[in-house]
Amino acid sequence: NAGVTQTPKFQVLKTGQSMTLQCAQDMNHEYMSWYRQDPGMGLRLIHYSVGAGITDQGEVPNGYNVSRSTTEDFPLRLLSAAPSQTSVYFCASSYSGDASGANVLTFGAGSRLTVL
Amino acid sequence: TQLLEQSPQFLSIQEGENLTVYCNSSSVFSSLQWYRQEPGEGPVLLVTVVTGGEVKKLKRLTFQFGDARKDSSLHITAAQPGDTGLYLCAVTGISSGSARQLTFGSGTQLTVLP
Repeated sequence: NAGVTQTPKFQVLKTGQSMTLQCAQDMNHEYMSWYRQDPGMGLRLIHYSVGAGITDQGEVPNGYNVSRSTTEDFPLRLLSAAPSQTSVYFCASSYSGDASGANVLTFGAGSRLTVL
Repeated sequence: TQLLEQSPQFLSIQEGENLTVYCNSSSVFSSLQWYRQEPGEGPVLLVTVVTGGEVKKLKRLTFQFGDARKDSSLHITAAQPGDTGLYLCAVTGISSGSARQLTFGSGTQLTVLP
């Protein structure tokens, strides 16, 4: 059971370049999300999706696009990379909730992005 | 301004010592979760607490949800080097978006020295 798979694990970009971070899950989870993690800032939500064809913005969406054409995949696109987007990016997915109704996230291993 | 305050930010202790870390806010939450993150990995769920005053135990870890559902604590008894990691609390009920959105605190980095 692979869980949540993120690629690439490491990436270096120059300012202005574009790229896509891939995220795939094999648990048939309806909810998927992207977070960025910066020192002292915890995890901040970028975008999320409650199902195929449905996406919405989180706390820090500027400079990022997402799409959800299938249940399994949720790619994150950086249109024109900036140094401020240097961070570790985590994709996470969840089912409808545990017995308490709480949203239980399964995270990928992360993608470390450096923008020069 | 962080909606969830975790303290302390850093904690370094010797193996065998006890410790408590905290997660606080002025808001009321429907549920609160604790995750642990090891270097190079994503966070992994430890526990979910839902009821005010609830106490859950996971081996040497004891989690408590405040009576008013605004805060939580994590107590580790006889810490071991394997407990080293970043401890994150997360809640639902803060964001105006999806009710399933989780908001994370900035975490407590725990180092247990052998």
